[in-house]
Amino acid sequence: DQQVKQNSPSLSVQEGRISILNCDYTNSMFDYFLWYKKYPAEGPTFLISISSIKDKNEDGRFTVFLNKSAKHLSLHIVPSQPGDSAVYFCAATSGTYKYIFGTGTRLKVLA
Amino acid sequence: DAGVIQSPRHEVTEMGQEVTLRCKPISGHDYLFWYRQTMMRGLELLIYFNNNVPIDDSGMPEDRFSAKMPNASFSTLKIQPSEPRDSAVYFCASRYNHEQFFGPGTRLTVL
Repeated sequence: DQQVKQNSPSLSVQEGRISILNCDYTNSMFDYFLWYKKYPAEGPTFLISISSIKDKNEDGRFTVFLNKSAKHLSLHIVPSQPGDSAVYFCAATSGTYKYIFGTGTRLKVLA
Repeated sequence: DAGVIQSPRHEVTEMGQEVTLRCKPISGHDYLFWYRQTMMRGLELLIYFNNNVPIDDSGMPEDRFSAKMPNASFSTLKIQPSEPRDSAVYFCASRYNHEQFFGPGTRLTVL
């Protein structure tokens, strides 16, 4: 009963193009969402977040979109760079300190 | 700051042995989290502490797992006895504001 789902285990994109990573959730009580990036042999690092009162948050090449009615969020990376190749985890929380993470999507940006 | 420190980075042990994983959080962070990463379930929260007190251990798989935080700068996760299905990467994270900072993880292999 995964409350946070990342249905695409992997994604390949050409350098310079847009990468879109998707995440679905089931718990309507979630009010804060985050994306973490993980390189091999390292711990996940925070990338970007969004509160449920917003539908978009942008930080440089990274934009997160939230569709509350569909219980869906997405991370857009434009333009994609080879250094973006990593595993991306989405996470959600409901006003507590407990994050629920998805299973991750491995992004490969091809040069 | 050195970030969150975990030791050992790799652990190989035989079924039935006791395993102890160690974590030193970032100084000043008052929340500490233990996660387990597997391919099937992604990042699962096992337990978290606030000011050295365990708050939620509902993610601990069974009684073979235990965690302690004797002071603000040290925590352990113990598995006794270990089983092959415990093989995973175990992460420790500490928190400041909304962001969790992860250590590099301990890769545990139980033969």
